[in-house]
Amino acid sequence: QQQVKQSPQSLIVQKGGIPIINCAYENTAFDYFPWYQQFPGKGPALLIAIRPDVSEKKEGRFTISFNKSAKQFSLHIMDSQPGDSATYFCAAGSNYGGSQGNLIFGKGTKLSVKP
Amino acid sequence: NAGVTQTPKFRVLKTGQSMTLLCAQDMNHEYMYWYRQDPGMGLRLIHYSVGEGTTAKGEVPDGYNVSRLKKQNFLLGLESAAPSQTSVYFCASSYDRTANYGYTFGSGTRLTVV
Repeated sequence: QQQVKQSPQSLIVQKGGIPIINCAYENTAFDYFPWYQQFPGKGPALLIAIRPDVSEKKEGRFTISFNKSAKQFSLHIMDSQPGDSATYFCAAGSNYGGSQGNLIFGKGTKLSVKP
Repeated sequence: NAGVTQTPKFRVLKTGQSMTLLCAQDMNHEYMYWYRQDPGMGLRLIHYSVGEGTTAKGEVPDGYNVSRLKKQNFLLGLESAAPSQTSVYFCASSYDRTANYGYTFGSGTRLTVV
């Protein structure tokens, strides 16, 4: 119930394409869903986050779509660029504390955007 | 601001040796975390701390110990290194436990145990 399942494991798109990364969770206590971006040799960095009271959030070319009833959320990258090539992690967290208080990360998606 | 600083950046250990990884943050964050990252396994929580003097076990704590004697520092120790502990280790800190303000990660320590 604590797992966050992320797919696909890897993704290759052409420049300008719209890669979509999907995540699913089971624990209905989760109420915070961030995405992290990691470049080779660097630590993950917060990219964008959403709470379950909204169905979509946009920041620049990055959009999170959230489906509370299906317990799924996804990251879309509009007009993708080679500089977006990185590993993306979804995560889920809860305000209810205990072991649920820490973020639970998906296994990551390695995105490659070809010129 | 430096954010989260990890030392060392690289280390090679022989099986059975011990070492300590240091994490320092200058953001006055209460919460600190140690993760390990392995191919196809994502980020797995080793230990975490909710404040100075506190520590707690995460998902994969066996073979590791931690200490948080000062608010700004979180140390990860390996008492007797094993090849299975070959990994990239990341430290992170956050203002609150649910990371409403996001986790800040260090740049990682690549550890090889031979």
